[in-house]
Amino acid sequence: DPKIIQKPKYLVAVTGSEKILICEQYLGHNAMYWYRQSAKKPLEFMFSYSYQKLMDNQTASSRFQPQSSKKNHLDLQITALKPDDSATYFCASSQGTGLYEQYFGPGTRLTVL
Amino acid sequence: QQQVRQSPQSLTVWEGETAILNCSYEDSTFDYFPWYHQFPGESPALLIAIRPVSNKKEDGRFTIFFNKREKKFSLHIADSQPGDSATYFCAASSGGSNAKLTFGKGTKLSVKS
Repeated sequence: DPKIIQKPKYLVAVTGSEKILICEQYLGHNAMYWYRQSAKKPLEFMFSYSYQKLMDNQTASSRFQPQSSKKNHLDLQITALKPDDSATYFCASSQGTGLYEQYFGPGTRLTVL
Repeated sequence: QQQVRQSPQSLTVWEGETAILNCSYEDSTFDYFPWYHQFPGESPALLIAIRPVSNKKEDGRFTIFFNKREKKFSLHIADSQPGDSATYFCAASSGGSNAKLTFGKGTKLSVKS
């Protein structure tokens, strides 16, 4: 059974719309992250959460908002979508935010038209 | 500012040869260095990682060599197999509450039989 679930696997949106990317982990980890990967940029860190608290935010835009309703959930809300937001968004988790191994989910591939 | 540099961008080796992938970094606070591999259409998967308390880490055919003085580390894949063909990413983290992984741009490895 997959230990990190991301929904949906593929997502197509129109410019200006809003979408929520879902992430759930069943590894018993306390820290969760969002990364983004596109053809233009390598894997890029976005957010880190520990015990449902935001630890680090490296996104330049407030259009990206993480939401943690449960310890093992970290969703990503993206508003006012732009074509440049097209990328694969990966959720990851680790035991803690120290020097712990991070494991990646399968990703959500977002295309903004 | 790219804090982790990776080379070469692509590498082709014959089956049975040793593939050598290189990375360098600038931030002296980095103290955790993982390697991930990614197959097309899949998410990055943790392969092996090292902390600077040692200068070598082995796991089967995969070995990390670490040079703290020169701020360089490399992944050696011995007895390369066609199934090793993938994109390999090195990364670095400072740990602590900031567990952000900073990734290199990746090396696309092709193993020919």
